[in-house]
Amino acid sequence: EADIYQTPRYLVIGTGKKITLECSQTMGHDKMYWYQQDPGMELHLIHYSYGVNSTEKGDLSSESTVSRIRTEHFPLTLESARPSHTSQYLCASSIGWRTGELFFGEGSRLTVL
Amino acid sequence: AQTVTQSQPEMSVQEAETVTLSCTYDTSESDYYLFWYKQPPSRQMILVIRQEAYKQQNATENRFSVNFQKAAKSFSLKISDSQLGDAAMYFCAYRGSGGSNYKLTFGKGTLLTVNP
Repeated sequence: EADIYQTPRYLVIGTGKKITLECSQTMGHDKMYWYQQDPGMELHLIHYSYGVNSTEKGDLSSESTVSRIRTEHFPLTLESARPSHTSQYLCASSIGWRTGELFFGEGSRLTVL
Repeated sequence: AQTVTQSQPEMSVQEAETVTLSCTYDTSESDYYLFWYKQPPSRQMILVIRQEAYKQQNATENRFSVNFQKAAKSFSLKISDSQLGDAAMYFCAYRGSGGSNYKLTFGKGTLLTVNP
């Protein structure tokens, strides 16, 4: 199994709360990604990072923010959670852009009431 | 923009039999990469198989093989001797080689059920 970890796996939270989804990898990968996946739907890229101090927005607009202060750590933050943020968030990492395989975490399933 | 289409939302197969999952894609690029990922229930998504568009030979990984038809923009996955552990959601994905080559575009997935 890949050495990429996400916490929490499941989170139920009220509207307006601030939440941070943690993602860590021990493979030394430069590239890291956050995907959003609704049940039965495809994955949509919401953030990615080339490396430390580099973050970019993906294709799907998201109110979340990310940071990359250390190579191994790529947390995602929602300052004020809303029910529309209810989804599964998948973190991934890779060595390179082209043929590099993406290694995924187990996902964080967020429910905002 | 590239799109990936998986026309089979659900498929089922008997254990030990063969099943083929379909995937088509749309691109104007000549050099790109195609992937099949497997997402078991509540577990990590993992890479099943990868195909480089410049390679004419179809990729094979043990019981998994692809039928890559570049002209038809088709990339199907064949699973031989299906096992109960193959039950999962399967996603076809595309990565280009141009300026946005960071991007992996996924299809909507096919849920595979394996019947004992």
